[in-house]
Amino acid sequence: KAGVTQTPRYLIKTRGQQVTLSCSPISGHRSVSWYQQTPGQGLQFLFEYFSETQRNKGNFPGRFSGRQFSNSRSEMNVSTLELGDSALYLCASSPSQGTGYTFGSGTRLTVV
Amino acid sequence: DQQVKQNSPSLSVQEGRISILNCDYTNSMFDYFLWYKKYPAEGPTFLISISSIKDKNEDGRFTVFLNKSAKHLSLHIVPSQPGDSAVYFCAAYNAGNNRKLIWGLGTSLAVNP
Repeated sequence: KAGVTQTPRYLIKTRGQQVTLSCSPISGHRSVSWYQQTPGQGLQFLFEYFSETQRNKGNFPGRFSGRQFSNSRSEMNVSTLELGDSALYLCASSPSQGTGYTFGSGTRLTVV
Repeated sequence: DQQVKQNSPSLSVQEGRISILNCDYTNSMFDYFLWYKKYPAEGPTFLISISSIKDKNEDGRFTVFLNKSAKHLSLHIVPSQPGDSAVYFCAAYNAGNNRKLIWGLGTSLAVNP
């Protein structure tokens, strides 16, 4: 079966712009989590959605938001981009909350 | 406050020898622990897990040991192979707390031929 698909794979944006990243989970998976990975900070949890509801949220500013659609696909939006937002953004899906996470290959965002 | 700590950012091991990756945690409410492996430009992949009711779980060359009293777990890879070279992340959660995964910063393992 298809894995977790994240689009786009690479993205270059300018400071102040906004960006939307997409994640298509494994078919049947209802939970989608988003993470930011930077070299010095490891995997930082952004938020988790389950059945279109945000169930958990990490310690990120309000510029970071997300949503989940009825087909479990999820989008993450970052507004007013800053240089420090340059990172690998990973999406993970699971059949239910908390276990069996499968990660996508990520979206590499570069803010210039 | 880093609730899950991987104090060694990197580890270098000779092929065929044992690799031991360590992870410490501070939250005694964690009851499930996982190890993930990550290659560059790929997402992490699940490796092995252990629940707090056990002290050891083995899967092929990979064994995870849990010492609850010390709040410490370790991943043993025997024998180590060059293809094991990757970043290894330790993660933990409390099943009663929305199962929110808390991640360590990772340990980069290099297995030298």
